[in-house]
Amino acid sequence: VMTQTPLSLSVTPGQPASISCKSTQSLLHSDGRTYLSWYLQKPGQPPQLLIYEVSNRFSGVSDRFSGSGSGTDFTLKISRVEAEDVGVYYCMQSVQLLTYAFGQGTKLDIK
Amino acid sequence: QVQLVESGGGVVQPGRSLRLSCAASGFTFSSYAFHWVRQAPGKGLEWLTIISSDASLKYYADSAKGRFTISRDYSKNTVYLQMNSLRPEDTAVYYCARTRNFDYWGRGTLVTVSS
Repeated sequence: VMTQTPLSLSVTPGQPASISCKSTQSLLHSDGRTYLSWYLQKPGQPPQLLIYEVSNRFSGVSDRFSGSGSGTDFTLKISRVEAEDVGVYYCMQSVQLLTYAFGQGTKLDIK
Repeated sequence: QVQLVESGGGVVQPGRSLRLSCAASGFTFSSYAFHWVRQAPGKGLEWLTIISSDASLKYYADSAKGRFTISRDYSKNTVYLQMNSLRPEDTAVYYCARTRNFDYWGRGTLVTVSS
């Protein structure tokens, strides 16, 4: 089970934002990788990959986004929120092929 | 460029079947695993199933076991989701996505189960 906090946040443009994701099990695989990803679903669009394996930014993703954490506790940080960052953020674990699981989602809007 | 295009959604009565398709292009289809994920109206993302690159491995979420079947056709670069015995609670947008990291997603196809 993946638990995200907060479930919503309202941020002033230019200010930082942080989202936490906690897993009930370690996401460290026997291959040494930790399978925790972050996605952003903008309004009316499919989800898009932001971060994979905890801290690797996907191609084309702004360096304002960063991921950190280990084991069961993870964080997505946005250094300076912009209007285009509005949407719902999801964490997801893929350490076990049988039990992919998304967090509940965190809705970010602009103040 | 990488493209995934879902199709096959629509309105269907409870108990009926539907087959969704996900047409892939812009990359070597046979090298990648694929998922189906759904999103009920106003709700979060729910993973349903994965098929490995060689189709030898298929895994299902509990909500999909026994009713949904994933498959792929290498000649058509297409992944399918066969959905049987549909229920109103299966109403959702269905997305396909690529690889363990879900790096690319289609735009989804809406399935509405209603009498």
